[in-house]
Amino acid sequence: EVQLVETGGGLVQPGRSLKLSCVASGFTFNNYWMSWTRQAPGKGLEWVASITNSGGSTYYPDSVKGRFTISRDNAQNTLYLQMNSLRSEDTATYYCTRGTTTGFAYWGQGTLVTVSS
Amino acid sequence: DVVLTQSPATLSVTPGERISLSCRASESVDTYLHWYQQKPNESPRLLIKYASQSISGIPSRFSGSGSGTDFTLSINGVELEDLSIYYCQQGNSLPYTFGAGTKLELK
Repeated sequence: EVQLVETGGGLVQPGRSLKLSCVASGFTFNNYWMSWTRQAPGKGLEWVASITNSGGSTYYPDSVKGRFTISRDNAQNTLYLQMNSLRSEDTATYYCTRGTTTGFAYWGQGTLVTVSS
Repeated sequence: DVVLTQSPATLSVTPGERISLSCRASESVDTYLHWYQQKPNESPRLLIKYASQSISGIPSRFSGSGSGTDFTLSINGVELEDLSIYYCQQGNSLPYTFGAGTKLELK
């Protein structure tokens, strides 16, 4: 059974940093591209970042480019999202997802990030 | 960026009826169009991939069609458990984008 478990969310002040983790199990992690997708409270879904299976290439929308960094440790089956210079508009539940252009086939339970002073 | 416009925003349904949800893209996405269901307080789940391909474990009453810019998600015989928000998403070009969603509610 595929499982994605996110941790690391919480309350953080504007301008500060936070790092999310996602531990994957139930599939061969290093065979798949992985992504982060977020959902602001009461709002729709927004793709945040993707990384190739080897970790050699990464992709971001303009809304987070230069502030967020996606990375992975294939030996530990773990995906990361380093978030710097956080803004109030980054407040959202962040989901770890498997897949990209093929569709996001699996989702974690999400971790809530609240950016507020 | 590819803008996905979903309609209607809200649809009131009666159990048992057949319904169709629309997703229109601002430019062609070929068949790189996927549909998701999100129930209250749950993570989204993939319903249909590549516009019309079924997903293991998803009830057969869900089906998808379309290509290019116009897509449809159909539910043949709506059940109470289908009352959710449905999102479309394109994977044809970066940045990957989602529609704003269609909410199914009970009539």
